[in-house]
Amino acid sequence: HVQLVQSGAEMAKPGASVKVSCKTSGYNFITYGISWVRQAPGHGLEWMGWFSTYNLRAKYPHRLQDRVTLTIDASTTTGYMELRNLTSGDTAVYYCARTDSSGSWWFDPWGQGTLVTVSS
Amino acid sequence: QSVLTQPPSMSATPGQRVTISCSGSYSNIGSNTVTWYQQVPGTTPKLLIYTNNQRPSGVPDRFSGSKFGTSASLAITGLQSEDEADYYCAAYDDSLNGAVVFGGGTKVTVL
Repeated sequence: HVQLVQSGAEMAKPGASVKVSCKTSGYNFITYGISWVRQAPGHGLEWMGWFSTYNLRAKYPHRLQDRVTLTIDASTTTGYMELRNLTSGDTAVYYCARTDSSGSWWFDPWGQGTLVTVSS
Repeated sequence: QSVLTQPPSMSATPGQRVTISCSGSYSNIGSNTVTWYQQVPGTTPKLLIYTNNQRPSGVPDRFSGSKFGTSASLAITGLQSEDEADYYCAAYDDSLNGAVVFGGGTKVTVL
């Protein structure tokens, strides 16, 4: 049974950083990558990046590449997403998802989501 | 402004067919496969269609996907009340060093 379980809700002040974890289980960790997607309240989905658990390579969208860092801990099959220099526009639910990186780029399953609230 | 364009909303009665469009460009849909996700309000997105027209196990066959050129569509036949949800298309985009791009989402209401 494939599962991705994320860390709990976070509150942060503008300018601060947040780090969200994503504990995976039920599959071969290095066979699939981990992507992160966020959803601002009442808005659609925005891809935040992908990390290859196979060759330890990351890919980020151009508009976020200076503020986001994805990492993993293979010993605990856990992925991490760190977002720096937060603004109120970063308030969103952040999801991790197991990712096929062989060309189809599907995300399945998704973690339960972590609400990050940025407020002074 | 989403890279992929979807209609914001659609509605239909139970049993009817709904077709959701997803319009892109050569660098995304025109060059890569399309994925569809379903998000029931208050829940996590769920993979519905991958590689343009493939259904994961457990997804009912009333859901089908297709792609032609730089556009794709998701069809729901025999609409049911539990299909009321937001639907998102996605594709890899080869421009700007590569990125996964999403449509803005289509809210399907079952009347």
